[in-house]
Amino acid sequence: AQSVTQPDIHITVSEGASLELRCNYSYGATPYLFWYVQSPGQGLQLLLKYFSGDTLVQGIKGFEAEFKRSQSSFNLRKPSVHWSDAAEYFCAVGATTNAGKSTFGDGTTLTVKP
Amino acid sequence: EAGVVQSPRYKIIEKKQPVAFWCNPISGHNTLYWYLQNLGQGPELLIRYENEEAVDDSQLPKDRFSAERLKGVDSTLKIQPAELGDSAVYLCASSPLGVTDTQYFGPGTRLTVL
Repeated sequence: AQSVTQPDIHITVSEGASLELRCNYSYGATPYLFWYVQSPGQGLQLLLKYFSGDTLVQGIKGFEAEFKRSQSSFNLRKPSVHWSDAAEYFCAVGATTNAGKSTFGDGTTLTVKP
Repeated sequence: EAGVVQSPRYKIIEKKQPVAFWCNPISGHNTLYWYLQNLGQGPELLIRYENEEAVDDSQLPKDRFSAERLKGVDSTLKIQPAELGDSAVYLCASSPLGVTDTQYFGPGTRLTVL
């Protein structure tokens, strides 16, 4: 069975600073990986996904993520954080491209200081 | 294009009472999902519909939870009777038929059971 660990429950960064959110997965075969953002009072929105190919994936809102098979990681990055990026971020892993069969991590809450 | 609509947004009930949540997916989306999101955790799939058919309900606690999707559009998730541990956010998501790698989430219904 697949599983996801997001080691950081809460991260605080200053506006304009760079951001990296960690995601470690456990799955024996080729994983299918997703990052979502959940803003207060809103549903989850897909930021990006990795299925195969280039291990550096570009997403919406200026986010990117890098798949590292040797480290079983899929960390999310953004070079310069905006106050509107304050939200909760979820990493998910699946055995297929079917997002409905993926397993979510417990999320990381991002606070942005002015 | 309107997003996934859920109602009510908030519901407070006493334990042992019944409760129902309603979801209207994005127009034309044949696949509909219900998720449970406990506080501080990621979403967990309860049930997935393809049109009117529940194709994956293995995680739905059938002793007290039920769902229906009449006519393959709107869906209702019901809990009867509710327990204290059911306090959570109930999320609905939808996808176009055949597009399984992207889900569109609604804002959720926050249930508090007293």
